[in-house]
Amino acid sequence: AQKVTQAQTEISVVEKEDVTLDCVYETRDTTYYLFWYKQPPSGELVFLIRRNSFDEQNEISGRYSWNFQKSTSSFNFTITASQVVDSAVYFCALTRNTGNQFYFGTGTSLTVIP
Amino acid sequence: NAGVTQTPKFQVLKTGQSMTLQCAQDMNHEYMSWYRQDPGMGLRLIHYSVGAGITDQGEVPNGYNVSRSTTEDFPLRLLSAAPSQTSVYFCASSAYLGTGVNSPLHFGNGTRLTVT
Repeated sequence: AQKVTQAQTEISVVEKEDVTLDCVYETRDTTYYLFWYKQPPSGELVFLIRRNSFDEQNEISGRYSWNFQKSTSSFNFTITASQVVDSAVYFCALTRNTGNQFYFGTGTSLTVIP
Repeated sequence: NAGVTQTPKFQVLKTGQSMTLQCAQDMNHEYMSWYRQDPGMGLRLIHYSVGAGITDQGEVPNGYNVSRSTTEDFPLRLLSAAPSQTSVYFCASSAYLGTGVNSPLHFGNGTRLTVT
């Protein structure tokens, strides 16, 4: 069975602080894909990143970075120098190689306080 | 460049009423799906389709029907609305890239449904 756990329900940080959102996944597949999505207060879901199980390189995009560690089944997301616009709910998701079902975590609500 | 379009944005139903949530995409994506979002539960898959004429159940299919007569459209039908179906519904699509790989999901803007 596939499962994604985001243990942090809510996080508050002061602007310019760094924050890491945790994502732990479970799967028996050797090939799978991991995703992060952002849901700002306006409600739409915005794709941030996709990573396949064979690519453990960390990725950086501006203030965002992702740390994928197969050994701990984690795909954590770090925001550096947080900004108020980063306030949103962030979802981690997993899909199998068949790609037919995406499994989402319960989300982490991030509030950045000015 | 519409992407995934959902209608309506808001809907209030009485218990027992039926309705259809519309979803259309203009990206020629093979894969379409419906999710519901409830507080503290993330996004849960209701039904999905890998192409016209093909549908399958997700995690929470009870009380919902789908059909996929065209690549573009994937309506979700509530057969007899119940208060437990009060939720925000998202339609999503993705492209099949070959050998089991799908592109990331593209989401519609959601439909907020209240059943009284």
